[in-house]
Amino acid sequence: LAKTTQPISMDSYEGQEVNITCSHNNIATNDYITWYQQFPSQGPRFIIQGYKTKVTNEVASLFIPADRKSSTLSLPRVSLSDTAVYYCLVGDPGNTGFQKLVFGTGTRLLVSP
Amino acid sequence: DSGVTQTPKHLITATGQRVTLRCSPRSGDLSVYWYQQSLDQGLQFLIQYYNGEERAKGNILERFSAQQFPDLHSELNLSSLELGDSALYFCASSPRELTDTQYFGPGTRLTVL
Repeated sequence: LAKTTQPISMDSYEGQEVNITCSHNNIATNDYITWYQQFPSQGPRFIIQGYKTKVTNEVASLFIPADRKSSTLSLPRVSLSDTAVYYCLVGDPGNTGFQKLVFGTGTRLLVSP
Repeated sequence: DSGVTQTPKHLITATGQRVTLRCSPRSGDLSVYWYQQSLDQGLQFLIQYYNGEERAKGNILERFSAQQFPDLHSELNLSSLELGDSALYFCASSPRELTDTQYFGPGTRLTVL
């Protein structure tokens, strides 16, 4: 069973860039890497998705190296409202023939003034 | 608002009981996913359905079962409940398969006393 790991927590200040890394061994060839944001008592919310190299949208960038065994979510110029838990999600081929979806352990980001 | 609805919002029950959680996906989405989130286990993938058929399975207990109906809504059945089953249960939906962006519902908070 693949293990997906992230730092437990990170602290930052408003206006700074934050980079959160997720390590994911055994990623399947056809799987994408997706990052989600979660506020307390709410469901996760999609941030960005990628397969390889770099993807950028209006809120974040995602960097994926050639071996795809890790990914880095980059949040430019964070604000207080970015305080949340961030999860990476990848597929896991497993042994059953069914793909499994494995969430990372989650990184709690605290943004201070 | 993601467009995914879940009922009930809260559920309190006793050990040994059986409950049913309901999920209505976004309009047009064919895939439904179920997740369990507890303090000690984080976000755990349980099961996925696509257009009525089971397509992917996580570490779902044998006491748990799910199905997706012809109108694409889904139900998660939890039986012989134990204290450790207390958690937030999220449903998510996506247009197609595992690599699609998932849209999460607000969750059902289950408390087993």
